[in-house]
Amino acid sequence: QQPVQSPQAVILREGEDAVINCSSSKALYSVHWYRQKHGEAPVFLMILLKGGEQKGHDKISASFNEKKQQSSLYLTASQLSYSGTYFCGTGSGGSNYKLTFGKGTLLTVNP
Amino acid sequence: EPEVTQTPSHQVTQMGQEVILRCVPISNHLYFYWYRQILGQKVEFLVSFYNNEISEKSEIFDDQFSVERPDGSNFTLKIRSTKLEDSAMYFCASLSGASSYEQYFGPGTRLTVT
Repeated sequence: QQPVQSPQAVILREGEDAVINCSSSKALYSVHWYRQKHGEAPVFLMILLKGGEQKGHDKISASFNEKKQQSSLYLTASQLSYSGTYFCGTGSGGSNYKLTFGKGTLLTVNP
Repeated sequence: EPEVTQTPSHQVTQMGQEVILRCVPISNHLYFYWYRQILGQKVEFLVSFYNNEISEKSEIFDDQFSVERPDGSNFTLKIRSTKLEDSAMYFCASLSGASSYEQYFGPGTRLTVT
């Protein structure tokens, strides 16, 4: 069952913050965040593992609430380059590590 | 930095024809995947491959699809008789498996079935 992402789309001005949420009805082992620009491959941002700590680099961070089976991606002081579609991919911990992706959140950062 | 590569970048084929999409995963990675993305939609899992065999496949991956790792470096996806609805972007991904669970995606092959 695919994870549910919210919001579906968000428009920001450069420098503003955004939060993208990802929730699942299944128990999760891992949550993977990707950013995809139009016509390009998804680019890995970060992974959060069950029992692991919150991750982040630069102005992008994420959290994983195992009990609620939810993850949130935090984008602070957004830059024009942050524009794209953000996908969360969830792993249920099977031996093949396959990912099930949400429908994505379209983030547009305007000057 | 090592990366997943895919060829061709764009393939146009007629309905009913066979196509083979090629991928070279990151060397020393152990797990390989094919995903597809229909234009404007989410990324969908097709198949995972480990230790020279399919470890899981989705309901999309029917008898028309097959995967192979013929020579220890290439990883191929074959569609035997393409249908219009097979038109999509096909992404190959690989994962180390050595205490790293990050999947790295290739640039994709855009398949257009006419």
